[in-house]
Amino acid sequence: DTAVSQTPKYLVTQMGNDKSIKCEQNLGHDTMYWYKQDSKKFLKIMFSYNNKELIINETVPNRFSPKSPDKAHLNLHINSLELGDSAVYFCASSQDPRWLAGVKETQYFGPGTRLLVL
Amino acid sequence: AQTVTQSQPEMSVQEAETVTLSCTYDTSESDYYLFWYKQPPSRQMILVIRQEAYKQQNATENRFSVNFQKAAKSFSLKISDSQLGDAAMYFCAYSSNAGNNRKLIWGLGTSLAVNP
Repeated sequence: DTAVSQTPKYLVTQMGNDKSIKCEQNLGHDTMYWYKQDSKKFLKIMFSYNNKELIINETVPNRFSPKSPDKAHLNLHINSLELGDSAVYFCASSQDPRWLAGVKETQYFGPGTRLLVL
Repeated sequence: AQTVTQSQPEMSVQEAETVTLSCTYDTSESDYYLFWYKQPPSRQMILVIRQEAYKQQNATENRFSVNFQKAAKSFSLKISDSQLGDAAMYFCAYSSNAGNNRKLIWGLGTSLAVNP
């Protein structure tokens, strides 16, 4: 009954490899997000999808490519991993309140995926 | 552009005591949300409390309450009767309620230690 789930929880890999992180939410939300949290705890948004469409794309290397097969899933694929990609990656979801009166904007976060690039 | 500032990188409190975490923000908008999130060692981000800017009444959730000062752009979190399980990183965040901009703007966090 987990609201937002991510797999894997831990990912250790070599530089240059390609890896994917999966995210699923069972809250019926329309919007999903990917965040990167670096070693200094700074949380930075990377991407946001609303109903499978990309709506936020911050300055992120092209090696990072999100994919949303349906609005309950948002996967993150990373090509040619670099040492600086080591971080914790959080997936989140929310219900956009613009046209749903009374719905409060809250993002629900997954448990995070700790990526270590060696 | 909106910014969120948490000026206390680390705080500590004795168990059962009260602690207040500071947060200030900068915005030219009048309609927005403010949040406090907790990140325990498990790394999961957990919503603690939220406040709508149009509401003058301070939000409360059990032992957690906020002091929302809209004119001063201040949004502090008070934790009463602190428990060992409250030890975590606490993040203050801002979200606009205008247009398409739904992303959260985050502070850098405050690490809270609870001493037995």
